[in-house]
Amino acid sequence: GAVVSQHPSRVICKSGTSVKIECRSLDFQATTMFWYRQFPKQSLMLMATSNEGSKATYEQGVEKDKFLINHASLTLSTLTVTSAHPEDSSFYICSAGMNLAGSTDTQYFGPGTRLTVL
Amino acid sequence: SQELEQSPQSLIVQEGKNLTINCTSSKTLYGLYWYKQKYGEGLIFLMMLQKGGEEKSHEKITAKLDEKKQQSSLHITASQPSHAGIYLCGADNDYKLSFGAGTTVTVRA
Repeated sequence: GAVVSQHPSRVICKSGTSVKIECRSLDFQATTMFWYRQFPKQSLMLMATSNEGSKATYEQGVEKDKFLINHASLTLSTLTVTSAHPEDSSFYICSAGMNLAGSTDTQYFGPGTRLTVL
Repeated sequence: SQELEQSPQSLIVQEGKNLTINCTSSKTLYGLYWYKQKYGEGLIFLMMLQKGGEEKSHEKITAKLDEKKQQSSLHITASQPSHAGIYLCGADNDYKLSFGAGTTVTVRA
C-alpha cells in the first residue's frame, strides 16, 4: 500500500515552454500533497503544500505564478512550471500524506521527475 | 523552523558490518521520520517515531528516539549492498516535514 506515482519521470523542454507534472496516490486518498525540489547532492526543499479543493500554500521564496499547483481530487495533484528557464532544471518530487498515527500524516513519496530546460 | 543535523555526512561500511546514523534536532521532536533515497529516485518511508524512548525495527534496521525527543539514531545490522543509499531524517514541523541533509551510505563487498 501507499504507492505514489509521478509522471513524467523525465522531461526535456525548451526555454519558455510550460511543463506539467502529475502526482497520483494510487491506493489511498490524500487530502494533502506536497511538492519538493531537490538539487544535486542536497536535501529536499519544500515548495508548497497542496490541499484538495483549496489553494496551495507556498513556502517563502517560491513564486506561485511560476509554479502552479492544482489539487483537483483526493488522488491527483499537478505542478505546472510555467515559462520554464534553465534555472528551473531540477529534480521535483511529490509526496502524499496518509495518517498512520497521531495528528500528522506520514508522507509517501513519488519517484520524482527530472526536468531539464534547454 | 526546526533544524536537523545528520551525522555522519557519509560513511563507507564493509558488507556484514553494522552502522549507525544520527539525527539531532534543535527543538523537541513531535514526529521523526526516517527515509531512504537512491540518488535520482524518490524517498522510501522506513519508520516513524513519536514517543520518547521509542524504538522500532524493520528487518535489519532499527530506529530509536531518545527520551528527551531531540535525537534519533538509525542502526543497520549486518549491512548488505541493498542498504546503500542516502538516509534522510525528517521532523514534523507544523504538519510539514523538515529534512536533514542526509547521510550517504556506501556498502563495500
